[in-house]
Amino acid sequence: AQKITQTQPGMFVQEKEAVTLDCTYDTSDPSYGLFWYKQPSSGEMIFLIYQGSYDQQNATEGRYSLNFQKARKSANLVISASQLGDSAMYFCAMRELTRQLTFGSGTQLTVLP
Amino acid sequence: GAGVSQSPSNKVTEKGKDVELRCDPISGHTALYWYRQSLGQGLEFLIYFQGNSAPDKSGLPSDRFSAERTGGSVSTLTIQRTQQEDSAVYLCASSLVRDHTDTQYFGPGTRLTVL
Repeated sequence: AQKITQTQPGMFVQEKEAVTLDCTYDTSDPSYGLFWYKQPSSGEMIFLIYQGSYDQQNATEGRYSLNFQKARKSANLVISASQLGDSAMYFCAMRELTRQLTFGSGTQLTVLP
Repeated sequence: GAGVSQSPSNKVTEKGKDVELRCDPISGHTALYWYRQSLGQGLEFLIYFQGNSAPDKSGLPSDRFSAERTGGSVSTLTIQRTQQEDSAVYLCASSLVRDHTDTQYFGPGTRLTVL
């Protein structure tokens, strides 16, 4: 079974609109971390936001927020007020007790002017 | 401060040759990870170093792959007798394990092409 599932291979959003990128995960570890990374066409992996399994509140970092629904095992990324520079591949990842990250297949986001 | 650096940024080699990829982690980060990103396979974990502990080599795809980390800092990933399926971007990451988020920060990667 996939540990991290991103069901949207591609998404389009109009500039200044909000967009939600979906991520579901599967783990039996009680303690885990969920991460979102952005990978522009230049190739670098840029850390965006972190959510711990015991965190009571949804994480926020500027225009990024994480909609964490633990019972549903989902960790969707919400980008508010999209900008052209947000066009990139977005990866959801999970860290369990083993410490290495397991990545989803990614969502290619295109922001339209 | 300086981020994770990797060299070379690009490497083209012939099938059967050995290659060495280098990673310099963020200063003070005790954990270092290697991942591989290839078309059709996504991002896969290769190996993990934490302090003086034995590395977690569970992700290495074959015994042609090895890595070492000298002095708890710089790491070298070596691929012997390269094959065409080794062509990929090799990403290095480091983290400060004491930080409760243990966020991994990535370098720019080395793009390996095996002809």
